[in-house]
Amino acid sequence: DTVLTQSPALAVSPGERVTISCRASESVSTGMHWYQQKPGQQPKLLIYGASNLESGVPARFSGSGSGTDFTLTIDPVEADDTATYFCQQSWNELTFGSGTKLEIK
Amino acid sequence: QVQLKESGPGLVQPSRTLSLTCTVSGFSLTSYGVSWVRQPPGKGLEWIAAIWSGGSTDYNSALKSRLSISRDTSKSQVLLKMNSLQTEDTAMYFCARSIITLGYYVMDAWGQGASVTVSS
Repeated sequence: DTVLTQSPALAVSPGERVTISCRASESVSTGMHWYQQKPGQQPKLLIYGASNLESGVPARFSGSGSGTDFTLTIDPVEADDTATYFCQQSWNELTFGSGTKLEIK
Repeated sequence: QVQLKESGPGLVQPSRTLSLTCTVSGFSLTSYGVSWVRQPPGKGLEWIAAIWSGGSTDYNSALKSRLSISRDTSKSQVLLKMNSLQTEDTAMYFCARSIITLGYYVMDAWGQGASVTVSS
């Protein structure tokens, strides 16, 4: 299985820029996608194919990376961005990262 | 408006079989795939299985021997069966519309989830 490693948690202030990282145990090309999950809700697709913004998602969200290292950037962060962010790869059998919990101070 | 809604028994006894239904609206199962994903309490997401627009299926290799995914296009429903349930199968089970875009498999719309507790 392709293991995806994410930092467990981050805390930032509104208006700041935040980067959330995801490292794959082997290359997934650009087959990395990002989801946002707010407490008590279902996940929501934000970014697909490493850097493509899903329709309807604010342009404050962006993604980058290829191979094994990927980043989700939120700039500027808003209070409503409090959530857990999961990366997911679909280059090999589909797997998710363990999630990064983002707190807005 | 794309919608997915999961339904299931809520509580299942250990060693029994879980049956979950995903009822979709706003799109056709002959045009889109549907996946199942689960999330144990306080933990991350685990992909379980998918059924594609043509009817082909994919399974998580670690769970494959316990799984069956099927669909009833006339009812717009996708069915998941998982046998030999154990307490570690306790989770929220989500169904999600699945598409292949840029050659990659993503889930672009999700249901609210069905809670499943495995307990005697």
